[in-house]
Amino acid sequence: DAKTTQPTSMDCAEGRAANLPCNHSTISGNEYVYWYRQIHSQGPQYIIHGLKNNETNEMASLIITEDRKSSTLILPHATLRDTAVYYCIVSGTASKLTFGTGTRLQVTL
Amino acid sequence: GAVVSQHPSWVICKSGTSVKIECRSLDFQATTMFWYRQFPKQSLMLMATSNEGSKATYEQGVEKDKFLINHASLTLSTLTVTSAHPEDSSFYICSAREVISSYNSPLHFGNGTRLTVT
Repeated sequence: DAKTTQPTSMDCAEGRAANLPCNHSTISGNEYVYWYRQIHSQGPQYIIHGLKNNETNEMASLIITEDRKSSTLILPHATLRDTAVYYCIVSGTASKLTFGTGTRLQVTL
Repeated sequence: GAVVSQHPSWVICKSGTSVKIECRSLDFQATTMFWYRQFPKQSLMLMATSNEGSKATYEQGVEKDKFLINHASLTLSTLTVTSAHPEDSSFYICSAREVISSYNSPLHFGNGTRLTVT
């Protein structure tokens, strides 16, 4: 699976959009970009995934660049409950997921 | 949505005893489940892939005789930590994927089991 690079930590003010970047320059044509988050002492929570088109669901939006070498997860209106470690993972269809170190997002008042 | 349930959520056991952790897919069938382990302030590390009706596949460095995995049905996988020692104390998390032929469905994770070996 392709490796990803994420910033170690980010801050975001409550109510603002949180934009979390991820680089995956070695992504293969059949690999998806997945985003998960982990709130302290819980299992990872699925957020969104995509192949090459931008995706949106009730939680977030995923913007994938045209060359697919990077992506951005957007939480449109961050709340304190969005404070978590966010993982960007690249993986093929039905494959296992390999977790990196993720981005620790701190949402503040 | 797809729900994965783990039991127990936490367990304390004495050194030398065995502990069984259950992972169930509640509203879907999963031919494959994955077991992860997470130490404090570290990321999740894949331990093994559990395959229904066949032997599990272990990642390099994971002792298959110590971490016994059984995937007896399409909705249940179990991880047994045998002869547990304090260094096995960790957060164990399972995951499963609903197989939908026309869609690349994501992995869903249980809420984890915190094991403390005294």
